[in-house]
Amino acid sequence: EAQVTQNPRYLITVTGKKLTVTCSQNMNHEYMSWYRQDPGLGLRQIYYSMNVEVTDKGDVPEGYKVSRKEKRNFPLILESPSPNQTSLYFCASSLSLAVDTQYFGPGTRLTVL
Amino acid sequence: KNEVEQSPQNLTAQEGEFITINCSYSVGISALHWLQQHPGGGIVSLFMLSSGKKKHGRLIATINIQEKHSSLHITASHPRDSAVYICAVDRYTDKLIFGTGTRLQVFP
Repeated sequence: EAQVTQNPRYLITVTGKKLTVTCSQNMNHEYMSWYRQDPGLGLRQIYYSMNVEVTDKGDVPEGYKVSRKEKRNFPLILESPSPNQTSLYFCASSLSLAVDTQYFGPGTRLTVL
Repeated sequence: KNEVEQSPQNLTAQEGEFITINCSYSVGISALHWLQQHPGGGIVSLFMLSSGKKKHGRLIATINIQEKHSSLHITASHPRDSAVYICAVDRYTDKLIFGTGTRLQVFP
């Protein structure tokens, strides 16, 4: 089954404690992306990757890191989480934005105390 | 002013009604995406459009590049269509800019 998986689905943590949210897709997609969703602000893009070892900033990259060492995986790293990073996070993948719809992961609800 | 505007923000309908959700954007784009998010949060991509019209079941999406406008139509609406519908555009940058969504409730 074609899918994008994210782990964990729910996470409560404290300020400053490094964490990683994993994202994996089994469709051999080249494009992968991370989004955050906040009430009143909607979805916003954090980082995206066009292919292995190619990543670029979205609109809200501050406080986040990503890496793309393998095609299937695109982890999101918060090195020193802060309460303003409390949000619902989605990973997505596609062949490319211009020719294909995106497949979204189930979301990760993160709370930073 | 947001680069992507959706209207209406909220929409209620009776089962069976024809529904239209609008998306206007102010920049040149390479593609426009329509997404659906049900209560509980999961997001499903409905359409990717760069021109013309696409249809999938009871859903129809159109785009007018010259007028910078897209519409999502739902024919014979059903309560299971209740969701938030989100428009997003790619500005030739491989980055997406999202509208704030249209909340649709369809009552039996």
